[in-house]
Amino acid sequence: AQKITQTQPGMFVQEKEAVTLDCTYDTSDPSYGLFWYKQPSSGEMIFLIYQGSYDQQNATEGRYSLNFQKARKSANLVISASQLGDSAMYFCAMREGSKAAGNKLTFGGGTRVLVKP
Amino acid sequence: GAVVSQHPSWVICKSGTSVKIECRSLDFQATTMFWYRQFPKQSLMLMATSNEGSKATYEQGVEKDKFLINHASLTLSTLTVTSAHPEDSSFYICSARVAVLGETQYFGPGTRLLVL
Repeated sequence: AQKITQTQPGMFVQEKEAVTLDCTYDTSDPSYGLFWYKQPSSGEMIFLIYQGSYDQQNATEGRYSLNFQKARKSANLVISASQLGDSAMYFCAMREGSKAAGNKLTFGGGTRVLVKP
Repeated sequence: GAVVSQHPSWVICKSGTSVKIECRSLDFQATTMFWYRQFPKQSLMLMATSNEGSKATYEQGVEKDKFLINHASLTLSTLTVTSAHPEDSSFYICSARVAVLGETQYFGPGTRLLVL
């Protein structure tokens, strides 16, 4: 079974509007972390935001916020006030906390976002 | 955030040659580095986990004799693709993690390998 699922392969968003990128995860480990990365066409992976499984509040970083719904096992990324430079591939990733998991990240399939002027 | 560099950014080589890719953490000491491979229009797939001073841990299906990983210091890990073939053409990207900086992995800019 997929550990990280991103159901939206691609989406358009109008400049200055908000966009929500879906991410659901599957783990039985009580300790885990969820990450969002942005990958522009240059290929680099840019860290956006992190949410720990024990964090009480949803993470926010500037225009990025993470809508963490633990019971639903979802960690959606919200980008507010979209800019043209936000056009990129976005990956959700999970790190499971068990020793056996070894701090590895498992990535979802990604969502391509294209911001329209 | 922490800075991770990779060299080279691009490499084109003939089939049968070996290619070495370097991954450096520039402003921190990375206890663990990770090597990923990404084919076009696909997600990142972890190849191996590299801990300083010990042997790398390879993911299932990754040939350790083909993809040699050396983590000789806390700031440098190298991936050598031995006897490269066209099917090894891919985007190789490393990341580094240090516990004092939290759980985040910081990625290098990646290396595009094209084997002719």
